Amino acid sequence: QQQVKQSPQSLIVQKGGISIINCAYENTAFDYFPWYQQFPGKGPALLIAIRPDVSEKKEGRFTISFNKSAKQFSLHIMDSQPGDSATYFCAASARGSRLTFGEGTQLTVNP
Amino acid sequence: GAGVSQSPSNKVTEKGKDVELRCDPISGHTALYWYRQSLGQGLEFLIYFQGNSAPDKSGLPSDRFSAERTGGSVSTLTIQRTQQEDSAVYLCASSLGGGVSYNEQFFGPGTRLTVL
Repeated sequence: QQQVKQSPQSLIVQKGGISIINCAYENTAFDYFPWYQQFPGKGPALLIAIRPDVSEKKEGRFTISFNKSAKQFSLHIMDSQPGDSATYFCAASARGSRLTFGEGTQLTVNP
Repeated sequence: GAGVSQSPSNKVTEKGKDVELRCDPISGHTALYWYRQSLGQGLEFLIYFQGNSAPDKSGLPSDRFSAERTGGSVSTLTIQRTQQEDSAVYLCASSLGGGVSYNEQFFGPGTRLTVL
């Protein structure tokens, strides 16, 4: 009930391409869905987040698509750059409590 | 302003020893969270504080793990009689709290614990 499933585990794209990472959840009490970016040796940093009453949110090259009925959400990175190479985690929480994280996706953007 | 700070950044200890990990949250943040990240793994929730109380400690893996928070600010995570499987990066996060959704959790840099 508390799990968040993330795929793919790893992703390699060419510079300028689109990176897509998918997540699915089970707990309908979740009301906050953030994506975190983590570089080696650093703590995770919030990239973008969405509430379930919105189907899409865009910030620069990053877009979250949210499908409440399917209990799925995804991160799209447009015009991917080598500097985007990092590990990405989707997460979910309910009423400001613990974050439940997906397993992570290691993104490599080749120049 | 300062972010979440954690100390030490690295800790190497021998099996069976006790360790204390410290977290200084962002000033004014009432919620504080501890997570654990094992090598190549995702982030695992340990405990959540709202003020000085811990309404959710369900993620603590055993009774060797405990945490406290004093003055609504600094938190200490204590691991007693450390085992090799405790080796991981321990991450602390804080948020404005208050049970409000959509409050960003800001993470510290973590403490890398190695148990020999």
